[in-house]
Amino acid sequence: DAGVIQSPRHEVTEMGQEVTLRCKPISGHDYLFWYRQTMMRGLELLIYFNNNVPIDDSGMPEDRFSAKMPNASFSTLKIQPSEPRDSAVYFCASSGTGNNQPQHFGDGTRLSIL
Amino acid sequence: GDSVTQMEGPVTLSEEAFLTINCTYTATGYPSLFWYVQYPGEGLQLLLKATKADDKGSNKGFEATYRKETTSFHLEKGSVQVSDSAVYFCARSDNTGKLIFGQGTTLQVKP
Repeated sequence: DAGVIQSPRHEVTEMGQEVTLRCKPISGHDYLFWYRQTMMRGLELLIYFNNNVPIDDSGMPEDRFSAKMPNASFSTLKIQPSEPRDSAVYFCASSGTGNNQPQHFGDGTRLSIL
Repeated sequence: GDSVTQMEGPVTLSEEAFLTINCTYTATGYPSLFWYVQYPGEGLQLLLKATKADDKGSNKGFEATYRKETTSFHLEKGSVQVSDSAVYFCARSDNTGKLIFGQGTTLQVKP
């Protein structure tokens, strides 16, 4: 079975550029989560969706970050303009409904802003 | 607020040693509990879970028992291998669909 698919796996870009990260959740999952992981701050939940609707975006660091989920099989996380402190590994995860449902993580996008 | 607390790492063990990584949680109600493992350069993978009190989750020689009376979900393995070196995350469900993660514990197993 296909898991959560993220692209690109690696992204290196210069500060000020727009960055778009992509995620395809597992088919049938109705929750989608975006996380950021750094050595300093660990794993942080940025935003999550239920049935394509954003539920909680309180973890989004600032207005430069935005996320969309136009349909059940695709989500994007966009950073515009990017800054060096945005360098991190960004994970997407999805899950089904119910307290006993685990989240399934993608392999992540390693983002480096120069 | 609701939280998950794990023991500080790194934990360094010799191969075939016994492993315990402590995890405690705060919660109202009866959350589901999870352990995830993250190998270098990879995403988090579900290792095991337990959904109610006294349940024992197990996988790949790892075990954890849902202890409601002590609000704990400690991870154990009888004999670790070098290939078990990774970061381990404890997590609990909340009522809004998301998981609350601990800060992660790094395990290093030396030959």
